[in-house]
Amino acid sequence: GQQVMQIPQYQHVQEGEDFTTYCNSSTTLSNIQWYKQRPGGHPVFLIQLVKSGEVKKQKRLTFQFGEAKKNSSLHITATQTTDVGTYFCAGERNQAGTALIFGKGTTLSVSS
Amino acid sequence: EPEVTQTPSHQVTQMGQEVILRCVPISNHLYFYWYRQILGQKVEFLVSFYNNEISEKSEIFDDQFSVERPDGSNFTLKIRSTKLEDSAMYFCASEGVEAFFGQGTRLTVV
Repeated sequence: GQQVMQIPQYQHVQEGEDFTTYCNSSTTLSNIQWYKQRPGGHPVFLIQLVKSGEVKKQKRLTFQFGEAKKNSSLHITATQTTDVGTYFCAGERNQAGTALIFGKGTTLSVSS
Repeated sequence: EPEVTQTPSHQVTQMGQEVILRCVPISNHLYFYWYRQILGQKVEFLVSFYNNEISEKSEIFDDQFSVERPDGSNFTLKIRSTKLEDSAMYFCASEGVEAFFGQGTRLTVV
């Protein structure tokens, strides 16, 4: 079945350092979505990437979708303590209504 | 902001008992999902539901599980005979362009 691999599983950084998490799918995706889950919370949608090679920015967060639509990355510039949480990528194969398959997530901790 | 509502927030049940987890998705969404998350692990897909029927299910979603949309608003997940390993957080999600997740129901099977 379809798999979505995500690395690293854990990352600890000092406040102000950059952070990147990578996501790879075993199959070509229709789109990829990124979610953030705070400890004890539920996944919250961050962004969706649809086009091959797409790059989107949200303030200090930069999201990329690979040319082959099989990999993606999330990069946070100058991390802050509020960035703490687990970041999940989730790939969708076809149109909406098929399963979002989640990666294992990258748990980010930030020390000040 | 639109909201997906799940009840109860926490359910403790004895092994072998049936549980029903309830969800009220966002009203104009057409696609609904159940996911589960065992403590400290990734979010796992269980089932998707569209047009009043299951559109896709995972290998986790065996005969012990069933879903229903009994009326226009509720979306339920039933576990017929709970096992210890069913203990997890269960999230309902509904999707328009993006997926919105409910706050989850923490199921503890003892």
